[in-house]
Amino acid sequence: AQKVTQTQTSISVVEKTTVTMDCVYETRDSSYFLFWYKQTASGEIVFLIRQDSYKKENATVGHYSLNFQKPKSSIGLIITATQIEDSAVYFCAMREGIGDNSKLIWGLGTSLVVNP
Amino acid sequence: NAGVIQTPRHKVTGKGQEATLWCEPISGHSAVFWYRQTIVQGLEFLTYFRNQAPIDDSGMPKERFSAQMPNQSHSTLKIQSTQPQDSAVYLCASSLQGEQYFGPGTRLTVL
Repeated sequence: AQKVTQTQTSISVVEKTTVTMDCVYETRDSSYFLFWYKQTASGEIVFLIRQDSYKKENATVGHYSLNFQKPKSSIGLIITATQIEDSAVYFCAMREGIGDNSKLIWGLGTSLVVNP
Repeated sequence: NAGVIQTPRHKVTGKGQEATLWCEPISGHSAVFWYRQTIVQGLEFLTYFRNQAPIDDSGMPKERFSAQMPNQSHSTLKIQSTQPQDSAVYLCASSLQGEQYFGPGTRLTVL
């Protein structure tokens, strides 16, 4: 069965440091796609970064990067040089199949608080 | 680009009343998704359309919930005879090539 698990409920860090958020997934498909989104205090859900299962290189966008460990079914999100405005809930999600469009399966989220 | 538009932003209904939620996807996006978010269940998939055709409604409660996409510029989610357990934030997302982009959501409160 498809499943996405985020074990960290909340993390608190000091700004300008690096934080890693964990995510593990379960799938029977050989081709799948992994995403990280963040939800701000206003409720807005924003796409951050994506990793396609067939790509060996870890994705990087701005100060977000991924640690993709396929044998462990793990896709960690790394945020470097954290800023106060990075405070949000971060969701890991998975999409199966080869088509571009199908439903996302979500983790329960990790709340990140960045303190001055 | 205005992003995904959802109306209303907030809706309060009495138990047993009907609620219709509207979504306008990003122009040119071929897929539209509906999700529901609650504190207890988190984000749950409800249904999605591709090129206006219903593709997967496996997350939709079989009774009382229905969704339509009559044209490429809007989709509706209708809940008949609303119940308190339907209270949630209903999110619409659209997609062109993989990433889904979300609207601000409609917060439905059923009294």
